[in-house]
Amino acid sequence: GENVEQHPSTLSVQEGDSAVIKCTYSDSASNYFPWYKQELGKGPQLIIDIRSNVGEKKDQRIAVTLNKTAKHFSLHITETQPEDSAVYFCAAPDGQNFVFGPGTRLSVLP
Amino acid sequence: NAGVTQTPKFRILKIGQSMTLQCTQDMNHNYMYWYRQDPGMGLKLIYYSVGAGITDKGEVPNGYNVSRSTTEDFPLRLELAAPSQTSVYFCASSPGWNEQFFGPGTRLTVL
Repeated sequence: GENVEQHPSTLSVQEGDSAVIKCTYSDSASNYFPWYKQELGKGPQLIIDIRSNVGEKKDQRIAVTLNKTAKHFSLHITETQPEDSAVYFCAAPDGQNFVFGPGTRLSVLP
Repeated sequence: NAGVTQTPKFRILKIGQSMTLQCTQDMNHNYMYWYRQDPGMGLKLIYYSVGAGITDKGEVPNGYNVSRSTTEDFPLRLELAAPSQTSVYFCASSPGWNEQFFGPGTRLTVL
């Protein structure tokens, strides 16, 4: 089955700086990679996703890049704001389901 | 649309008791999932369903059972609760093999 690793486990940045979270996957056939944000006490919510036919996708301050050769994809958040503080999960396909990474706790310091 | 709703929000069980966690979605999604999230950890898949009448085991199914008699409902049954089942349980639904919509979660403590 699919194996997903995610780094770093915790990340602290100053407000206005950029944050980058990286995930690696094992199955070279995987072709869809979502990122979820989980705020305290809530369920995860999709913030951006990418399919394997593109190398980058951007949505305002959030972007995802995909390197299929190296089997890794990264979440980039620019101009971070306090409301970006949360736990972020990546995921990769595993048959009819998805395997989630262990999560990254992002803290944006004022 | 209410999206995915879960009840109860919180529950304390004694060892050996049983309970059912309810999950309902009003988006007419075929796919539904149950995950557990232990403190500081990621999501582990317990059971999933690709349509009414069809269920299958995920990564951590032991101690749980599910049923899917309708498109909307996907209850999770805990039999003989154990302290190891203390966790936050999330239900999710999806229209297919893409974005999953998560409920708010049920926080379960087994003492």
